[in-house]
Amino acid sequence: GENVEQHPSTLSVQEGDSAVIKCTYSDSASNYFPWYKQELGKGPQLIIDIRSNVGEKKDQRIAVTLNKTAKHFSLHITETQPEDSAVYFCAASFSTGGGNKLTFGTGTQLKVEL
Amino acid sequence: DAGVIQSPRHEVTEMGQEVTLRCKPISGHNSLFWYRQTMMRGLELLIYFNNNVPIDDSGMPEDRFSAKMPNASFSTLKIQPSEPRDSAVYFCASSLSSGGTEAFFGQGTRLTVV
Repeated sequence: GENVEQHPSTLSVQEGDSAVIKCTYSDSASNYFPWYKQELGKGPQLIIDIRSNVGEKKDQRIAVTLNKTAKHFSLHITETQPEDSAVYFCAASFSTGGGNKLTFGTGTQLKVEL
Repeated sequence: DAGVIQSPRHEVTEMGQEVTLRCKPISGHNSLFWYRQTMMRGLELLIYFNNNVPIDDSGMPEDRFSAKMPNASFSTLKIQPSEPRDSAVYFCASSLSSGGTEAFFGQGTRLTVV
């Protein structure tokens, strides 16, 4: 089955700096790669996703890149703010009409310091 | 829509007791997922349903765990008998089964088995 590795496990940045989180996946058939943000006491929430026919996607301060050949994808957050502090999870799935069986990375605890 | 609704939010039970966790997916979603989150193992997929039918239960840890989805608007995850190592946060998520769509998570049930 799919295996997703995520690095780093913790990341501390100064407010206004950029943060980068990287993930690799094992199953070349995976074609859907979402990123989730989890705040304390809450369930994960989707912040951005990318499909295998796209190499990069951007939404305001958040961007995701995908390299299918190398089987890795990354989350980039620019101009970080204290409210960006949370745990971020990458995931990968091979999505078909039968649903998305998401396999998650182990998470990155991001801390944005003032 | 109120989102994915899980109950209870917190559950404390004694070892050996039966525990039932409940989930109401978002109306119209036809895929439902149960995840378990622990510090040691991260987010693990336990089982997922598509159109009320269990598709993959390979993540269910052992026979003490069972899940049902009697209709499109309700699912349960049961642990009988419960053990201290089952202590975790259990999340339910739902999505549309068409490829590459967002999975929405509930707030989770924090289970403590003493």
